[in-house]
Amino acid sequence: KAGVTQTPRYLIKTRGQQVTLSCSPISGHRSVSWYQQTPGQGLQFLFEYFSETQRNKGNFPGRFSGRQFSNSRSEMNVSTLELGDSALYLCASSVTSGDTGELFFGEGSRLTVL
Amino acid sequence: GENVEQHPSTLSVQEGDSAVIKCTYSDSASNYFPWYKQELGKRPQLIIDIRSNVGEKKDQRIAVTLNKTAKHFSLHITETQPEDSAVYFCAASKQAGTALIFGKGTTLSVSS
Repeated sequence: KAGVTQTPRYLIKTRGQQVTLSCSPISGHRSVSWYQQTPGQGLQFLFEYFSETQRNKGNFPGRFSGRQFSNSRSEMNVSTLELGDSALYLCASSVTSGDTGELFFGEGSRLTVL
Repeated sequence: GENVEQHPSTLSVQEGDSAVIKCTYSDSASNYFPWYKQELGKRPQLIIDIRSNVGEKKDQRIAVTLNKTAKHFSLHITETQPEDSAVYFCAASKQAGTALIFGKGTTLSVSS
């Protein structure tokens, strides 16, 4: 079974630009959540999608948005990039029924904003 | 919303010693408490989890305890080995399989 796939793996943008990151969950997983990882702040929750609906949202500005498609693939978008948006963006997928609670993470998309 | 505090931020032990990492959470509605291990340059991976109806769970050298009244839970690693060196994250959520609120992580270094 293929794992969680994130693209692109690395990207460099300049301030003011926008970026779109993609996440393909494990087949059969309908829940996708996104996290921002920085050295000082650890893993911060951005948002969660289930069956194309945003189920939960973290404390990030409106420049951060996301969506989920009918095949459970998800994208997140960051507009008007700031230097502080440089981070590793991780997505995770899970099965929300049954006994298992494990989130399976992708390898992440490393964004550098210059 | 939920807030998870994790201590210590760094922990250095000798091989064979025990390591303990502690977390507290704020939302009494949280019912699921996993621990993730992230090795350098790799993705976080689940090592153990516990649900609110259980006070303790053990898996070989790793154990987790939960005190729901005090809203804190801990990870215990016994007989530490160099390969245990990594960043460990505690987390909480209302339901297993849903988005997690993480602590800021503990960097564990095990020296031989």
